[in-house]
Amino acid sequence: GAGVSQSPRYKVAKRGQDVALRCDPISGHVSLFWYQQALGQGPEFLTYFQNEAQLDKSGLPSDRFFAERPEGSVSTLKIQRTQQEDSAVYLCASIKGRGGSYNEQFFGPGTRLTVL
Amino acid sequence: GNSVTQMEGPVTLSEEAFLTINCTYTATGYPSLFWYVQYPGEGLQLLLKATKADDKGSNKGFEATYRKETTSFHLEKGSVQVSDSAVYFCALSDTNAGKSTFGDGTTLTVKP
Repeated sequence: GAGVSQSPRYKVAKRGQDVALRCDPISGHVSLFWYQQALGQGPEFLTYFQNEAQLDKSGLPSDRFFAERPEGSVSTLKIQRTQQEDSAVYLCASIKGRGGSYNEQFFGPGTRLTVL
Repeated sequence: GNSVTQMEGPVTLSEEAFLTINCTYTATGYPSLFWYVQYPGEGLQLLLKATKADDKGSNKGFEATYRKETTSFHLEKGSVQVSDSAVYFCALSDTNAGKSTFGDGTTLTVKP
């Protein structure tokens, strides 16, 4: 596709439900990032993949958060037993190469998660 | 750890006014610096970047210079337009993997 796509764009969950958020990066992009953006704040790093390998998950806030990218393309961020503090916009970004500080990240439109 | 501090908003300017949005950072190593823009209803997109000290990034009339001595990357534009109304994020990128640390964003509104 032309850009990074994410689905669903909006998700409302009841507290305690599990949710799965999908990211389709730009075709051929090696690196993929997940960020969490709370209202009125900047995105905060969650996790990073290089192909199918999860190289950094230091930003995941708890063991309720799990991400995977089994075939090195599409990625899924799963949140188990959602809590109200999980309400945020979840952003996915991809980079053509193997990361590197100078490379531009291409962002998807985000999934807005609201936990009631 | 790495951090980015942005000038608090919101900022409201009249068309053709001069814009400055301040950004300072704390980082180990030699990060790259970025400004991203988010227009209403759209995703984050790169506005400009600088990868080493004294580099100047520029795009669409916006400029920012990587100042290592003051750990700053202030965004400037000489004459803003209504279409520049958006949220602007300053960010730095980790030297290894490329994960980014963002500021909290500055909302700019330009009135005709």
